[in-house]
Amino acid sequence: AQSVSQHNHHVILSEAASLELGCNYSYGGTVNLFWYVQYPGQHLQLLLKYFSGDPLVKGIKGFEAEFIKSKFSFNLRKPSVQWSDTAEYFCAVNEAGTASKLTFGTGTRLQVTL
Amino acid sequence: DAGVTQSPTHLIKTRGQHVTLRCSPISGHKSVSWYQQVLGQGPQFIFQYYEKEERGRGNFPDRFSARQFPNYSSELNVNALLLGDSALYLCASSLVVGTANYGYTFGSGTRLTVV
Repeated sequence: AQSVSQHNHHVILSEAASLELGCNYSYGGTVNLFWYVQYPGQHLQLLLKYFSGDPLVKGIKGFEAEFIKSKFSFNLRKPSVQWSDTAEYFCAVNEAGTASKLTFGTGTRLQVTL
Repeated sequence: DAGVTQSPTHLIKTRGQHVTLRCSPISGHKSVSWYQQVLGQGPQFIFQYYEKEERGRGNFPDRFSARQFPNYSSELNVNALLLGDSALYLCASSLVVGTANYGYTFGSGTRLTVV
């Protein structure tokens, strides 16, 4: 069975600070990896995804994530956060090469202060 | 191009009642999945349908059921509602080609409150 761990439950940063949110997964096979964002009162939106190839993935709004296979990690980064990045961030995984379900982490609430 | 649409957006039901939630996928997407998101947690997988057949089921009781119609829209039904069923119910559609899934697009969800 797959599982996803997001160790940072609540992160508070000042504008312009750098961001790194941790994501570790547990699965014995090859995976697809995703980061979703949920702004207050809005639906889940895809930030970026990794299927294969370059382990450094760039997404929307200046976010990027690096897949480190040896560490089973897919951490999300942004060099300089903005107040508008205040949201909940979810890491998710599914089995590569299949149409299988997504398994989500518990989420990280990011609060950016002015 | 319309995204994933869900109805209703909000719903209040009494314990013991039945509820039906509806989802229309993105045009061309033949796979629909349902997730339950309880406040403060990540979405939990309930069902996946592809080409009108159930392809996966999460760890939910038999009170939860779903189906997919020929136009690929889907319904999630929950019987004998409990207070603990209060949650945001998300529908996601995906484009599947062969065995490759090209990612999921989520709808805005249905907020179900059981009183």
